[in-house]
Amino acid sequence: DAGVIQSPRHEVTEMGQEVTLRCKPISGHDYLFWYRQTMMRGLELLIYFNNNVPIDDSGMPEDRFSAKMPNASFSTLKIQPSEPRDSAVYFCASREQGLGTDTQYFGPGTRLTVL
Amino acid sequence: AQSVTQLGSHVSVSEGALVLLRCNYSSSVPPYLFWYVQYPNQGLQLLLKYTSAATLVKGINGFEAEFKKSETSFHLTKPSAHMSDAAEYFCAVGPRGSYKLIFGSGTRLLVRP
Repeated sequence: DAGVIQSPRHEVTEMGQEVTLRCKPISGHDYLFWYRQTMMRGLELLIYFNNNVPIDDSGMPEDRFSAKMPNASFSTLKIQPSEPRDSAVYFCASREQGLGTDTQYFGPGTRLTVL
Repeated sequence: AQSVTQLGSHVSVSEGALVLLRCNYSSSVPPYLFWYVQYPNQGLQLLLKYTSAATLVKGINGFEAEFKKSETSFHLTKPSAHMSDAAEYFCAVGPRGSYKLIFGSGTRLLVRP
């Protein structure tokens, strides 16, 4: 299996622009998670999905952030408009449902820089 | 609310020395516990996990961790550090009945030649 795939790996944009980050989870995994990693706040869970349905979005910082999962093999995290304080590494992770399968598998991340 | 604390944001050891990275959790019910490693410019990779089976858990790359309920700890150890172990290590707690993981702030391990 190719693992969790994220694109792009790096994104540089200007303040006010729309940014879309993409994630392809491991095939057969029912859960998908979006995290943000910064020096100041560490690794934060933004939102997670189960069977393509958002379950908990309490970590989404504000309305400028939105996430979708139109099907089992694709999810997006959108920031509109972007701000310099959104600069961070964004990770996507997936896992299987069920007991004993609690491991989350992380993608390589997207490093976002907002100028 | 459950939480996890990693003592020491940076740990430096000599090659061949013992590695000890500390993690304490806060939970009324023993949760699932994890250690992940992050190499530069990469995602997190699972080292090992505790899910209420054996309290001494062996992971990849020679790492192991012991769950101690009385101390609410899950410290990570390796008998002999290698240069390739230099990375950031995250302890995480997974509350039972929840699919979330709560991560500690991370410990950066430096291995000196």
